[in-house]
Amino acid sequence: GIQVEQSPPDLILQEGANSTLRCNFSDSVNNLQWFHQNPWGQLINLFYIPSGTKQNGRLSATTVATERYSLLYISSSQTTDSGVYFCAANFGNEKLTFGTGTRLTIIP
Amino acid sequence: EAGVAQSPRYKIIEKRQSVAFWCNPISGHATLYWYQQILGQGPKLLIQFQNNGVVDDSQLPKDRFSAERLKGVDSTLKIQPAKLEDSAVYLCASSPLTSGIGELFFGEGSRLTVL
Repeated sequence: GIQVEQSPPDLILQEGANSTLRCNFSDSVNNLQWFHQNPWGQLINLFYIPSGTKQNGRLSATTVATERYSLLYISSSQTTDSGVYFCAANFGNEKLTFGTGTRLTIIP
Repeated sequence: EAGVAQSPRYKIIEKRQSVAFWCNPISGHATLYWYQQILGQGPKLLIQFQNNGVVDDSQLPKDRFSAERLKGVDSTLKIQPAKLEDSAVYLCASSPLTSGIGELFFGEGSRLTVL
């Protein structure tokens, strides 16, 4: 099955800073999603982005399917952005595979 | 629109006891998933239902785990007997698609501690 790797594993930033999280995948995908897991454990769907670029407020994501990576950008970080960010990918009817996540800590 | 509902939020049991988790997906969503998330790891798929049929249960430890989705709506995941390594968060998700895997929406999860 597809392999999904995320980097960096941990990221600590001051409030107001910008950040870029990366997701690499080993094969073609037709489903790529980014999630934020909040401190209470819930996975919040951020983007469904198998290709192209999307923006939602301070967050944006870009997937370059031909080069097998996706980037999540967070601008002007806030303490509420803290948590673990997961990307997940699959192709066709194969199961969705999650990466190991990037733990983001925003310091006030 | 109501999200995915799960209960209970927290459960503490002793090893060899049994436990059941309940999930009600977003209304109209055909596909329902149960994931297991162990601390520090990404979620791992246990079972996928499409309506009331099983699509993928290849990673479900069938000697102790069972799941059903009667009537193609809500679902129950049961563990009997529980082991220490079953301590995890059990996440339910749903998707509107009837084929392939579309956008997933997760519930708040059920955190299980096995002592």
